[in-house]
Amino acid sequence: GDSVTQMEGPVTLSEEAFLTINCTYTATGYPSLFWYVQYPGEGLQLLLKATKADDKGSNKGFEATYRKETTSFHLEKGSVQVSDSAVYFCALSGHALNFGKGTSLLVTP
Amino acid sequence: DAGVIQSPRHEVTEMGQEVTLRCKPISGHDYLFWYRQTMMRGLELLIYFNNNVPIDDSGMPEDRFSAKMPNASFSTLKIQPSEPRDSAVYFCASSLDDSRNQPQHFGDGTRLSIL
Repeated sequence: GDSVTQMEGPVTLSEEAFLTINCTYTATGYPSLFWYVQYPGEGLQLLLKATKADDKGSNKGFEATYRKETTSFHLEKGSVQVSDSAVYFCALSGHALNFGKGTSLLVTP
Repeated sequence: DAGVIQSPRHEVTEMGQEVTLRCKPISGHDYLFWYRQTMMRGLELLIYFNNNVPIDDSGMPEDRFSAKMPNASFSTLKIQPSEPRDSAVYFCASSLDDSRNQPQHFGDGTRLSIL
């Protein structure tokens, strides 16, 4: 069945470092792909999405490109801030979203 | 526009008690989802509804769990009797439809502790 695999966390970075969180998927058909972010004590929020191959989703300095050839949707940010500390979830569309296990990011000053 | 509203935000109760979690989806959203989040298992889909009708409840752990959606603006998740292993954060989410482009909108969750 359809599934999403994310890199294991936690990821710890210094402020202004470059971030990559890997996400690969297995799916039949042509799903949409999403990244969600969960800040401490809150629900998940949509960060960005891409609906077809080669689409790039972007928001708040984060980017991810839908790569059909490598079945990937890696999340990147050029310069992270302490406020980016959160858990990040990759997800695949279907009748219900198929979420990865989440990657915890801690950014230190 | 109000987001998904869940209540209570926190619930602490003793094992064996009945627990009822409540959710108000975003107006106009046809899909409603219940999730459970734990450190061990991550985010698990329990059940989802379309137009108030349960579509897939295969994630409901056992018969102690039940969910209803009596109308388009309200849903409940009930645990009876509750057990310590039910301790988790429970999220409700809603979406406009199940098309490829529609994201889910999450509430802030109910943190449930069963003693």
